[in-house]
Amino acid sequence: GAVVSQHPSRVICKSGTSVKIECRSLDFQATTMFWYRQFPKQSLMLMATSNEGSKATYEQGVEKDKFLINHASLTLSTLTVTSAHPEDSSFYICSARGPHVEGPYNEQFFGPGTRLTVL
Amino acid sequence: KNQVEQSPQSLIILEGKNCTLQCNYTVSPFSNLRWYKQDTGRGPVSLTIMTFSENTKSNGRYTATLDADTKQSSLHITASQLSDSASYICVVSREAAGNKLTFGGGTRVLVKP
Repeated sequence: GAVVSQHPSRVICKSGTSVKIECRSLDFQATTMFWYRQFPKQSLMLMATSNEGSKATYEQGVEKDKFLINHASLTLSTLTVTSAHPEDSSFYICSARGPHVEGPYNEQFFGPGTRLTVL
Repeated sequence: KNQVEQSPQSLIILEGKNCTLQCNYTVSPFSNLRWYKQDTGRGPVSLTIMTFSENTKSNGRYTATLDADTKQSSLHITASQLSDSASYICVVSREAAGNKLTFGGGTRVLVKP
C-alpha cells in the first residue's frame, strides 16, 4: 500500500515552454502533497506544500508564478513549470501524506521522481 | 537553526562487509527521525522511522539507532550487497510546522564486489 506515482518519469523541453508533472496517490487519499527539487549530488529541497482544495504554500525563494501547483483532488497534484529555463533542469519529486496518517510517524510517501531537462 | 548533518559524505565498501552511517541533528521540536534509501534517479524509499522513545529499529539488514539526548542517529548495514549501493538520507520531522521534514545531505554508499 501507500504507492505514489509520477508522470512523466523523464521530460525534455525547449526553453520558454511549459511542462506539467503529475503526482498521484494510487491507493490512499492524500490530503497533503509536497513537491521537492533535487540537484545532482544534493539532497531534496522542499518547494511547496499543497493541501487538497486550497492554495499551495511555497517555500522562501520559490516563485509561485513560475511553479504552478494544483491539488484539485485527493489523489492528484500537478506541478507546472512555466516558461522553463535551462536552470530549471532538475529532478522533481513529490510526496503524499494521507488524512489518517496521524500520531508520531505521520509518514510521507515519495514518488519515483521526474527528470526535467530544459534545452 | 534546524539542521541535519550526515557523515561520511560517501564511502566504498566491499560486498559482504558491514558499515555504519552517522546522522546528527539540531531540529527542534523533534517528532521523528527517518532513514531513506534513494537509488540513482529514483525517489526515496523509507527504511526506518523512529520517535524519541525508540532507541533502535531494524528492517532486514538495516538497523537504525537513535539517541534523542545527544541528537544522534546511525544506520548500520549488515552483510552489504551490491544492491545496497545508493544514497542514504537521514530526515528529521519537526513536531510543529505541519511535521515539515528536514533532510540531511545524504551518504553515498558504493558496494564493490
